[in-house]
Amino acid sequence: AQSVTQPDIHITVSEGASLELRCNYSYGATPYLFWYVQSPGQGLQLLLKYFSGDTLVQGIKGFEAEFKRSQSSFNLRKPSVHWSDAAEYFCAVGFLIQGAQKLVFGQGTRLTINP
Amino acid sequence: DAMVIQNPRYQVTQFGKPVTLSCSQTLNHNVMYWYQQKSSQAPKLLFHYYDKDFNNEADTPDNFQSRRPNTSFCFLDIRSPGLGDAAMYLCATSRDRAGEQFFGPGTRLTVL
Repeated sequence: AQSVTQPDIHITVSEGASLELRCNYSYGATPYLFWYVQSPGQGLQLLLKYFSGDTLVQGIKGFEAEFKRSQSSFNLRKPSVHWSDAAEYFCAVGFLIQGAQKLVFGQGTRLTINP
Repeated sequence: DAMVIQNPRYQVTQFGKPVTLSCSQTLNHNVMYWYQQKSSQAPKLLFHYYDKDFNNEADTPDNFQSRRPNTSFCFLDIRSPGLGDAAMYLCATSRDRAGEQFFGPGTRLTVL
């Protein structure tokens, strides 16, 4: 069965520091992979996605992620975080079923930024 | 701006009293999804529509139903809400079956 693991429930970094959020997936075929961000009380906003091709994917807000098939990972990175990056981050794997794409999400990583 | 709109943003209902949540979209997307997100948990897909075709997840409780009267609107009906149904309900749309999903802001449901 498809699954996503985000090992870190909560991460705290200082403003200006680099960030890496981990994501591991389990899926038999080539996955569609996503990172979403959710601010408190809000919906989900897509940061970036990987379908195929270049394994280093650039997203919005200065985020990037690297797909590593050998490690079944899709880690999210940002070289220098801003206070506005504080939010919940969800990694998801997508697969096609019954006429639509089903997303299976990880448990999320809550990011806190220290001033 | 084209968007996904959910009304109301906050809904309070009583135990066992039917409630309907609304989602509308100006994106003219073919697919609409409903997710349930309980506190500090990941969103979980309840069901989706591909055009008029309805697809229910196997573990979605019978208490939950959905209607899509036209391309723009989709409703989530909870027939007899229990305390365990308190959650954020997220609506999402995608242009086609493989497309990126765009999420609305969600409706937070409280059951008293």
